[in-house]
Amino acid sequence: ETGVTQTPRHLVMGMTNKKSLKCEQHLGHNAMYWYKQSAKKPLELMFVYSLEERVENNSVPSRFSPECPNSSHLFLHLHTLQPEDSALYLCASSQEGPGGDREETQYFGPGTRLLVL
Amino acid sequence: KNQVEQSPQSLIILEGKNCTLQCNYTVSPFSNLRWYKQDTGRGPVSLTIMTFSENTKSNGRYTATLDADTKQSSLHITASQLSDSASYICVVRGGDSNYQLIWGAGTKLIIKP
Repeated sequence: ETGVTQTPRHLVMGMTNKKSLKCEQHLGHNAMYWYKQSAKKPLELMFVYSLEERVENNSVPSRFSPECPNSSHLFLHLHTLQPEDSALYLCASSQEGPGGDREETQYFGPGTRLLVL
Repeated sequence: KNQVEQSPQSLIILEGKNCTLQCNYTVSPFSNLRWYKQDTGRGPVSLTIMTFSENTKSNGRYTATLDADTKQSSLHITASQLSDSASYICVVRGGDSNYQLIWGAGTKLIIKP
């Protein structure tokens, strides 16, 4: 295993529900990421946290709300999602070097398969 | 526009055969290129990373090549095994920000017995 865990592995929710995805990394890394993976499309970077502060947000809709309480945990809060938000949501972590160099390998969790009805 | 394109989109080969997956990119400036393997139901796992000065790198039965002049990379799999069935994703770091990763859509490889 890669040392990054995600729960739940599968989630079905209605458009009016509120749910949260959880990610935990056991690698001692200082940067964590949320990605969206849709079928036959490249991974889309949603959020990046470095040292528990959000440093990158690629214009993701406000119905997705990230939270990083410490360097080992990352959450993605979901509310009033749309059917097109159905996808695999991947969490990753890496070790950021001095000066913000994020050249290091990213380690991914198994993902949460989300279906919005 | 910074892009990474992979071909073929999917590939089916018999166990024991070799295959080559292609990755073309238009990312500039270029920092490095990685190949990831993603098994069904799992997250991607890094196979190789190549910088501008490297043109070949091996990891067991996987051999990646990089031609920085033509902006092409390939991943060659030798003597394929059933466990090689997965999606293979090419990722290029570069572009306007050194933090930017440009991901390809992947090639889905199926190995049949």
